[in-house]
Amino acid sequence: DAKTTQPPSMDCAEGRAANLPCNHSTISGNEYVYWYRQIHSQGPQYIIHGLKNNETNEMASLIITEDRKSSTLILPHATLRDTAVYYCIVRRNTDKLIFGTGTRLQVFP
Amino acid sequence: NAGVMQNPRHLVRRRGQEARLRCSPMKGHSHVYWYRQLPEEGLKFMVYLQKENIIDESGMPKERFSAEFPKEGPSILRIQQVVRGDSAAYFCASSPPFSGGAYTGELFFGEGSRLTVL
Repeated sequence: DAKTTQPPSMDCAEGRAANLPCNHSTISGNEYVYWYRQIHSQGPQYIIHGLKNNETNEMASLIITEDRKSSTLILPHATLRDTAVYYCIVRRNTDKLIFGTGTRLQVFP
Repeated sequence: NAGVMQNPRHLVRRRGQEARLRCSPMKGHSHVYWYRQLPEEGLKFMVYLQKENIIDESGMPKERFSAEFPKEGPSILRIQQVVRGDSAAYFCASSPPFSGGAYTGELFFGEGSRLTVL
């Protein structure tokens, strides 16, 4: 699996967009970018994934640069319940998930 | 469709006892993954199983730990002769078979089993 680099922590005001960056400069052509989050001690929750194109679902948007060496997860209107550790993981879709240290997002009122 | 079910949610054992953690994957899922999360640390991969087969156990400690996923019934993670350092949250995840155009690579996680060793 390609290595990813994320900032250890970020803050975001409630109602604002939270933009979480991830660098994955050694990503291979058949590897996807997956985002998961873990809300305090709960089981990890899938958010979104993509290969080359930008993706959007009911939870978030994923913007992947054209060279695929970095991506940004966007939570358009962060709420207090979005406070969690966010993990960016690069892998082939049949590989196991390897979690790094992630970004601890704190949403404040 | 029920999610991934893990039990017990909390388990207390004394040093030297055995711990058995069970994981029932989502209906139709044939792949099971176990992860361990020590207090204040990240999730560490332990083992990946398909029905009756261990596919990848590269994250399993060499001694005292074993896992199985029988043809019938839940997957079991077994820890023999537990020590205080085994105190952790153990998460199970499942995924459907890889074949088929609908496969997304998403793993579905349970809420975990928290083991405390006294």
